Amino acid sequence: KAGVTQTPRYLIKTRGQQVTLSCSPISGHRSVSWYQQTPGQGLQFLFEYFSETQRNKGNFPGRFSGRQFSNSRSEMNVSTLELGDSALYLCASSLAQGPAYEQYFGPGTRLTVT
Amino acid sequence: KQEVTQIPAALSVPEGENLVLNCSFTDSAIYNLQWFRQDPGKGLTSLLLIQSSQREQTSGRLNASLDKSSGRSTLYIAASQPGDSATYLCAVKGGSYIPTFGRGTSLIVHP
Repeated sequence: KAGVTQTPRYLIKTRGQQVTLSCSPISGHRSVSWYQQTPGQGLQFLFEYFSETQRNKGNFPGRFSGRQFSNSRSEMNVSTLELGDSALYLCASSLAQGPAYEQYFGPGTRLTVT
Repeated sequence: KQEVTQIPAALSVPEGENLVLNCSFTDSAIYNLQWFRQDPGKGLTSLLLIQSSQREQTSGRLNASLDKSSGRSTLYIAASQPGDSATYLCAVKGGSYIPTFGRGTSLIVHP
């Protein structure tokens, strides 16, 4: 069974640009969550999607947005990039929404903003 | 607001040692606690998931315990190996269903 896949794996962007990251969950998984990991702040929750609807949102500015498609694949978009957005962006999938379900993480997308 | 603390922040041990990693949380109203390992620059690998009604979970050389009332979990690694070198993170999930992660324990097992 294939794991969670994220594309691209590495990305270099310039301040002010926008970026779109993609996540394909494990087959059959319908919930997708996004996280940002930085040395300074650690792992922080961005948002969670289930059945194409955003179910939870972390404390991030509106420049961070996402969506989920009918096949459960998800994308996150960051507009007007800032240097502080440089981070490892992780996607996790689970069978469904709710605390009982284990999360499985992808390898991440390393975003560098120059 | 839930806060998760992991002690120690870093650990270096010789191969073969048994070791204990600690995770503490401030709000005991949790649904579950999950332990992960992360290799440098990589994603997280789930190790063990403990539901709030459980006291411990075991997988191979790993054993995780949960004491909700005291807000603590421990991850016990038996007979450590160099391949165990990684950062270990714990995450608790509460009423909002949003997991809160600790900053991790960086483990080095040297031959």
